[in-house]
Amino acid sequence: GIQVEQSPPDLILQEGANSTLRCNFSDSVNNLQWFHQNPWGQLINLFYIPSGTKQNGRLSATTVATERYSLLYISSSQTTDSGVYFCAVLYNQGGKLIFGQGTELSVKP
Amino acid sequence: EPEVTQTPSHQVTQMGQEVILRCVPISNHLYFYWYRQILGQKVEFLVSFYNNEISEKSEIFDDQFSVERPDGSNFTLKIRSTKLEDSAMYFCAGQLQGNTEAFFGQGTRLTVV
Repeated sequence: GIQVEQSPPDLILQEGANSTLRCNFSDSVNNLQWFHQNPWGQLINLFYIPSGTKQNGRLSATTVATERYSLLYISSSQTTDSGVYFCAVLYNQGGKLIFGQGTELSVKP
Repeated sequence: EPEVTQTPSHQVTQMGQEVILRCVPISNHLYFYWYRQILGQKVEFLVSFYNNEISEKSEIFDDQFSVERPDGSNFTLKIRSTKLEDSAMYFCAGQLQGNTEAFFGQGTRLTVV
């Protein structure tokens, strides 16, 4: 089956710093989503981005489907950005998402 | 904004007991899923449900698990005889179509003691 790898596994930032999280996948995909899992365990939708670039406030994402990777950019990080960031891909018509193992981000004040 | 609602948020149960986790998906969604996340690990697919039947299930989804959409609004996951290793966060999700954006509920944290 498809492999989804995220890097780095852990990241510690000072408040105000920028960061880039990466998601590599081993096969062509129909859909890619980025999620933020907050300290209460909720999965918050960030981006639905099978290809191209999207921006939402301080966050943006780019997926280059032909090269099988996606990037999540966080600018001017805040302590509330802390948590685990997951990418998940859908690579067949069945609809299920395959998740990466996540990047755990900790933003220090 | 429509959202996926799960109940309860946290359930503690004794090993061997049956549990039912409940979900109310977004009303116009047609595809429904259960995922689970063991503490500290990634989110894993359990089962997908479309047109009132299971469309796909993972190896985890054995005979102890079942799903149902009894009344057109609720979507339930039943574990017949819970084991310690069933302790996890369980997420319900829905999609309008099979390859569109998935929306997740807030999760049910199941603890088996």
